[in-house]
Amino acid sequence: DAMVIQNPRYQVTQFEKPVTLSCSQTLNHNVMYWYQQKSSQAPKLLFHYYDKDFNNEADTPDNFQSRRPNTSFCFLDIRSPGLGDAAMYLCATSRDFGTGRPNYGYTFGSGTRLTVV
Amino acid sequence: AQKVTQAQTEISVVEKEDVTLDCVYETRDTTYYLFWYKQPPSGELVFLIRRNSFDEQNEISGRYSWNFQKSTSSFNFTITASQVVDSAVYFCALSEFVYNQGGKLIFGQGTELSVKP
Repeated sequence: DAMVIQNPRYQVTQFEKPVTLSCSQTLNHNVMYWYQQKSSQAPKLLFHYYDKDFNNEADTPDNFQSRRPNTSFCFLDIRSPGLGDAAMYLCATSRDFGTGRPNYGYTFGSGTRLTVV
Repeated sequence: AQKVTQAQTEISVVEKEDVTLDCVYETRDTTYYLFWYKQPPSGELVFLIRRNSFDEQNEISGRYSWNFQKSTSSFNFTITASQVVDSAVYFCALSEFVYNQGGKLIFGQGTELSVKP
């Protein structure tokens, strides 16, 4: 089945040690998103790629970066994780034919739960 | 600016009771999508429904039903004869569209539903 896969499911990283989370998709969707969800909060959009174009949210800290080497893969890099970056990170995809409207809705991965020690 | 409000932070019911989760949204767009997602303790977001702004028809899927009213900017979700397995956090979300930048999901704060046996 076509899907969005996030690895790893659980990630423990050391304080201020760079960490990378990965997301892959078999849906051939042209838009990929990264959301951060802290405990008991709503998912918050960090940034998204529309094809190769990167769109950063205004309040996303510089500590968070992203790479999309091809249509299928997208990475979230946290350069210097702090304790406050512990959260669930959700990757999502959508298909946009240029109208600005996702034609098939959004498909979410199972998430990576990040712990910072 | 777009905004989604779920005024109920927590709801607790006894099994077999009906329960309604409220969602109110704000948008200046004339075309938009509304969503409901379920998030069980495992953390993945489970898609429940998508409704576009053109279609105000109410929808029923098994024990789930949705009432969309543009006049009051509400998109409420009712679970009939609730079951313990319905216990989860439920998110209402609104799609914001930007031409050639992809649509972005804006989430409400979520309602934690607890169904007790």
